[in-house]
Amino acid sequence: EDQVTQSPEALRLQEGESSSLNCSYTVSGLRGLFWYRQDPGKGPEFLFTLYSAGEEKEKERLKATLTKKESFLHITAPKPEDSATYLCAVQGNSGGSNYKLTFGKGTLLTVNP
Amino acid sequence: DAGVTQSPTHLIKTRGQQVTLRCSPKSGHDTVSWYQQALGQGPQFIFQYYEEEERQRGNFPDRFSGHQFPNYSSELNVNALLLGDSALYLCASSFGLLNIQYFGAGTRLSVL
Repeated sequence: EDQVTQSPEALRLQEGESSSLNCSYTVSGLRGLFWYRQDPGKGPEFLFTLYSAGEEKEKERLKATLTKKESFLHITAPKPEDSATYLCAVQGNSGGSNYKLTFGKGTLLTVNP
Repeated sequence: DAGVTQSPTHLIKTRGQQVTLRCSPKSGHDTVSWYQQALGQGPQFIFQYYEEEERQRGNFPDRFSGHQFPNYSSELNVNALLLGDSALYLCASSFGLLNIQYFGAGTRLSVL
């Protein structure tokens, strides 16, 4: 059974204060690890996909990295508009027919001006 | 380019009733997945449809059923509603079974 654990559950930062969110996972063969951003009352918005250990992706103030057991979402000099819940999900490879995404509970990020 | 659209946006039902939620995938996508998101939790996979067939199912009872139409749109049906079915129901579409899933805004279902 695929599992995803995100930490911390909530994080409060001052504008400009860089930090990282953690996503630990267990999966029998990783097809891909996904980061999404979710604003209150809305659906998740796709940010990044990582497929193999050592891979990194960047978008504006966000950078996602991947190891064999965890992923980090680094936020550099955040702004108040970065406030949201960040969700991590994995897609496993068990039996060659595992198409679902398994999500963590998310990290609620609040950036104060 | 329209993204994933879901209807209705909000729905209020009473216990024991039945509900149908609808989803139109992003243009060019042929695969639809449904997820349930309780308050403060991550989305939980319900099932996925491709070529009008259910390809994979999560740990949800048979009260949850679905359908995919030839135009790739999809419906989620829930029978005999329970209070615990209150949640945000999310539809995600992708091109093929293994590609990036893009989500709609969801349908907020409240069961009273």
